[in-house]
Amino acid sequence: DADVTQTPRNRITKTGKRIMLECSQTKGHDRMYWYRQDPGLGLRLIYYSFDVKDINKGEISDGYSVSRQAQAKFSLSLESAIPNQTALYFCATSARHRDEQYFGPGTRLTVT
Amino acid sequence: ILNVEQSPQSLHVQEGDSTNFTCSFPSSNFYALHWYRWETAKSPEALFVMTLNGDEKKKGRISATLNTKEGYSYLYIKGSQPEDSATYLCAFLGNAGNMLTFGGGTRLMVKP
Repeated sequence: DADVTQTPRNRITKTGKRIMLECSQTKGHDRMYWYRQDPGLGLRLIYYSFDVKDINKGEISDGYSVSRQAQAKFSLSLESAIPNQTALYFCATSARHRDEQYFGPGTRLTVT
Repeated sequence: ILNVEQSPQSLHVQEGDSTNFTCSFPSSNFYALHWYRWETAKSPEALFVMTLNGDEKKKGRISATLNTKEGYSYLYIKGSQPEDSATYLCAFLGNAGNMLTFGGGTRLMVKP
């Protein structure tokens, strides 16, 4: 079984809808991250969490919110989706600050 | 926003060729440099985490070097194989921040 899972894997939604992307991990890591990837660009950090009570904005947090329900679960919400949020979204985890990150399989989101 | 650049953006080589690409990052406040390999339709996977100036790391036919004083890292692939075809991402972690900043990636295509 995969260590980091994301649901859904693909989603098409309409402008203005609220959508939640979920991430679960079995690695026992405290640190979790949400990234988005756009064609031609690298991964950009949306939000990160170093433990259940610690949530921080990343480079591009506007239009997004997160919830860390437990050590193993970190959800990303788009309160009112817009077309330029169409992207590939990755969740990742790491054990310590500078350690390698383990990525989930990605969620491809299309906002029409 | 930190500037992390990778060159070239894409590279086509023949099977058996050796190749290398570059990651440039800020030369001040260095903490760590990550390399990831990202195959199409899969998740990025860590290759190396490099922390010391002069570090050299190797995994099979892939190796990397690090120069923190001048702000660059090289990734080398010896005797490229079609299965090496992927996007290679580098990511910089500064000691003043908590976030990895990714470069745009180098897309490698190895022709049989």
